[in-house]
Amino acid sequence: GDSVTQMEGPVTLSEEACLTINCTYTATGYPSLFWYVQYPGEGLQLLLKATKADDKGSNKGFEATYRKETTSFHLEKGSVQVSDSAVYFCALRYNTDKLIFGTGTRLQVFP
Amino acid sequence: EPEVTQTPSHQVTQMGQEVILRCVPISNHLYFYWYRQILGQKVEFLVSFYNNEISEKSEIFDDQFSVERPDGSNFTLKIRSTKLEDSAMYFCASSEAYGLSNQPQHFGDGTRLSIL
Repeated sequence: GDSVTQMEGPVTLSEEACLTINCTYTATGYPSLFWYVQYPGEGLQLLLKATKADDKGSNKGFEATYRKETTSFHLEKGSVQVSDSAVYFCALRYNTDKLIFGTGTRLQVFP
Repeated sequence: EPEVTQTPSHQVTQMGQEVILRCVPISNHLYFYWYRQILGQKVEFLVSFYNNEISEKSEIFDDQFSVERPDGSNFTLKIRSTKLEDSAMYFCASSEAYGLSNQPQHFGDGTRLSIL
């Protein structure tokens, strides 16, 4: 079945470092892809999305490009802040109601 | 910005008891969802709901679970006879449109359910 695989965390970075969180997917067709973020004590918030190959989603300095050839949707940010500390979830949705999530990657940014 | 609200934030219940988790979706949304996240595991889809009926459910959503939209604003998840393995964070979500995979689902902050 369709699935999402994320790199395991935690990812620990110093402020202003570059971030990459890897996400790959398996799907029978061409899904829509999402990154959600969960700040401590809060729910899941949509961070960005991409709906077709080569689309780039971006928000709050984060970017991810839908790569059909590598079935990937890696999350990147050029300079992280302490306030970016959270759990990041990659997810897909294809031809169904449900979002299929990865396991989540915890990011810890230290000053 | 409109948001999905869930109550209570934490529910503690004895095994075998019934529990109702409540959600108020975003007001102009028509499609509603429940997900759960057992501690340390993935967020899992439970059920979707549209036009007063279930449109899709997972294998987790067995006869012990039910959903209802009792009025124009609330959306509830009922677990009839709770088990220890029902302990999890339960998330409600809503979306504006159906049939378009790129429509985002907006999530609440979740209800942490603890079964003793």
